[in-house]
Amino acid sequence: QKEVEQNSGPLSVPEGAIASLNCTYSDRGSQSFFWYRQYSGKSPELIMFIYSNGDKEDGRFTAQLNKASQYVSLLIRDSQPSDSATYLCAADTGRRALTFGSGTRLQVQP
Amino acid sequence: DADVTQTPRNRITKTGKRIMLECSQTKGHDRMYWYRQDPGLGLRLIYYSFDVKDINKGEISDGYSVSRQAQAKFSLSLESAIPNQTALYFCATSSGQDAYEQYFGPGTRLTVT
Repeated sequence: QKEVEQNSGPLSVPEGAIASLNCTYSDRGSQSFFWYRQYSGKSPELIMFIYSNGDKEDGRFTAQLNKASQYVSLLIRDSQPSDSATYLCAADTGRRALTFGSGTRLQVQP
Repeated sequence: DADVTQTPRNRITKTGKRIMLECSQTKGHDRMYWYRQDPGLGLRLIYYSFDVKDINKGEISDGYSVSRQAQAKFSLSLESAIPNQTALYFCATSSGQDAYEQYFGPGTRLTVT
């Protein structure tokens, strides 16, 4: 079992809708979680991080963490075609470096 | 100029050849990382370094070696390249304070024939 799991997608949503991206992790010792966005042919860039249970909002993005269920999600409100990318979930598994999931490809249809 | 640079950007090499990928950064970060990315497998950590004298293996270090020549430079070597090392390789950096906000280089696409 991979330590950080994501559905590979593609997840297709219409423009203006809410996109919901999900991630589960296996190591209960993981303390913090990160969402990176990667456009096709480009390098990943950090868009959100969350350490505490609950929601964290930043503009159109909301990260949600439920440590009891070992579940992290990223909501993108008012999705735009420019949000089309692969979203990588990463966890701090206590080994001094991040463990990444395989990513979910999001397609926002105009 | 880019904060994290990688050379070469593309490389085709033959099985058995030794190859070095180089990473330089101007961000002043002390932590540097090498990842490989394969379709469907996401980013996998090869090696990471927290300073010049602190180098650690990641989850897939077999067949690779690294050198941290200076705070700003971290090189990845494939001693004897094999076809299943064909992948996209990324270098990343982070500071000691924001250890997990990693800044990635543009990547090196390596093909081993």
